[in-house]
Amino acid sequence: DAEITQSPRHKITETGRQVTLACHQTWNHNNMFWYRQDLGHGLRLIHYSYGVHDTNKGEVSDGYSVSRSNTEDLPLTLESAASSQTSVYFCASSPNQNSPLHFGNGTRLTVT
Amino acid sequence: QKEVEQDPGPLSVPEGAIVSLNCTYSNSAFQYFMWYRQYSRKGPELLMYTYSSGNKEDGRFTAQVDKSSKYISLFIRDSQPSDSATYLCAMKGIQGAQKLVFGQGTRLTINP
Repeated sequence: DAEITQSPRHKITETGRQVTLACHQTWNHNNMFWYRQDLGHGLRLIHYSYGVHDTNKGEVSDGYSVSRSNTEDLPLTLESAASSQTSVYFCASSPNQNSPLHFGNGTRLTVT
Repeated sequence: QKEVEQDPGPLSVPEGAIVSLNCTYSNSAFQYFMWYRQYSRKGPELLMYTYSSGNKEDGRFTAQVDKSSKYISLFIRDSQPSDSATYLCAMKGIQGAQKLVFGQGTRLTINP
């Protein structure tokens, strides 16, 4: 079955370190998204991509970057991790603009 | 004022009850409406997807959209303990997929 997988499931890192969260989907979807989920804020869009070599900033993109070198993967990089980036991160994908999103099971990141 | 308002609950009901979950919104351009279910430490899972107004039924779940009142609902009949989760509404207009707006989620507990 096609799926979307995120790794690692849990990550603890120190302030100032660079961290990369992986997202891999096997649906061959063009659209991929990164969200963070925090109590009181719900799901907030960090970055998104509509195809290979396409990347765009979302609502809360400061301190994050993405790259899209193939259809299947959209890694999220925290350039210099900050405690404010402690959160649960979800990757999602969709085949076109109006289709619902399919989510991975998240990466719980703690920055100490 | 948030574009999408959702009562965060928590909502606790006995097994077998009919559950009503609701979201209100302010943007009259919204055309696509979704309900996601999120179990603890899992990603959001699509439950219902509707376009424009009307009702949609899938087993014990019914989604209603009232665009004139800017109000959407999810009804769960014969609720089961396995329905205990957080329910997120989401909606967008005809613009790009990145414009999807989520409610904050309602935490639901079904008591045996």
